[in-house]
Amino acid sequence: AQSVTQLDSQVPVFEEAPVELRCNYSSSVSVYLFWYVQYPNQGLQLLLKYLSGSTLVKGINGFEAEFNKSQTSFHLRKPSVHISDTAEYFCAVSRSMDSNYQLIWGAGTKLIIKP
Amino acid sequence: KAGVTQTPRYLIKTRGQQVTLSCSPISGHRSVSWYQQTPGQGLQFLFEYFSETQRNKGNFPGRFSGRQFSNSRSEMNVSTLELGDSALYLCASSYSGTGSYDTQYFGPGTRLTVL
Repeated sequence: AQSVTQLDSQVPVFEEAPVELRCNYSSSVSVYLFWYVQYPNQGLQLLLKYLSGSTLVKGINGFEAEFNKSQTSFHLRKPSVHISDTAEYFCAVSRSMDSNYQLIWGAGTKLIIKP
Repeated sequence: KAGVTQTPRYLIKTRGQQVTLSCSPISGHRSVSWYQQTPGQGLQFLFEYFSETQRNKGNFPGRFSGRQFSNSRSEMNVSTLELGDSALYLCASSYSGTGSYDTQYFGPGTRLTVL
């Protein structure tokens, strides 16, 4: 069965420092990969997604992620975080070319920005 | 384009009661998915409706049910409420559904408290 693992439940980091949020998935077929962000007291919104092509994907708010097929990972990075990046980040995977297949979600990683 | 709307935003019920939550998707979107979010369990998939048919279902008891109308608006119902049903219920809409490369657009959620 397909699964998504977000290795860290919380990541504290100082403002203006770089950050990496880790996501690993298990799948034997081609996948689509997503990162969503949930700001406090809001719904989720898409940060970026990988469908095919270049393995480096750029998203909103200066975030980027790299798809690594051999390591089945899709880690999210930002070179310099801001206090406004305080949020919970969710990685999700769906099986490509299968419209009846649901999204599989990770447990989420809370990004805590220290001033 | 108007976003996904959910009503009501907040709800307080007592054990044993039932509740109905409503979700209006983005115009033109045919898929509506429902999620339960709690601090302990994270984001859990309830079900997905696509063109008025339930296409996917998560591992929730039969007390949780839903439906979708011809205008794509969706409702979810929880009968015989339990304390553990207290959660943020999120609705997401997309054109092609969760098993595709489409972005899921989330509403702000309905915060249900069961006393």
